[in-house]
Amino acid sequence: DGGITQSPKYLFRKEGQNVTLSCEQNLNHDAMYWYRQDPGQGLRLIYYSQIVNDFQKGDIAEGYSVSREKKESFPLTVTSAQKNPTAFYLCASTSSGRGLHSPLHFGNGTRLTVT
Amino acid sequence: GENVEQHPSTLSVQEGDSAVIKCTYSDSASNYFPWYKQELGKRPQLIIDIRSNVGEKKDQRIAVTLNKTAKHFSLHITETQPEDSAVYFCAAIVTGGGNKLTFGTGTQLKVEL
Repeated sequence: DGGITQSPKYLFRKEGQNVTLSCEQNLNHDAMYWYRQDPGQGLRLIYYSQIVNDFQKGDIAEGYSVSREKKESFPLTVTSAQKNPTAFYLCASTSSGRGLHSPLHFGNGTRLTVT
Repeated sequence: GENVEQHPSTLSVQEGDSAVIKCTYSDSASNYFPWYKQELGKRPQLIIDIRSNVGEKKDQRIAVTLNKTAKHFSLHITETQPEDSAVYFCAAIVTGGGNKLTFGTGTQLKVEL
């Protein structure tokens, strides 16, 4: 619900494997974001994209990659280079057409566990 | 870049009391300050926001104040109820940074009966 769908809700992977988290929105939002949430550390920005075929690194981009081939989709790949991949991942979007004051709409998140 | 500090990390109040959560930010260019509420196992949801040209904003039991000179803003919840129990995040936008929100570390609010 809410127009942003993240899948799957829970994801388990073995160490050394790449894994891709899905994020789809039907809100016609231009901007999309990936955040990582760890206990006591709030929400930290991994990558964001303002328009199709363009994206920028956030504060903790190392070990992650993204693509933005379609306006509706912003998948996040957690690579084997990410040292501590186990976390709760949140995708968000906003209508950048409203300027810098547009609130974020979040998906329900994907909890990734790497063992 | 922007740095947002949030205090306290945990807050316990009795039902009916008020709760105050405070945040400071570092970049004086920030001009939009939203607050999000995240219930256990759910996604963060916007509860109130304030722009830099406004000093205070209220929405029923929730209010936010902004002091641009001191670079801090606060969330006030009055007449707290058990359903107010959640994690609250403050955030600030760096203008010109492409709508890139920087979040505080969160406050776990517990409203006790």
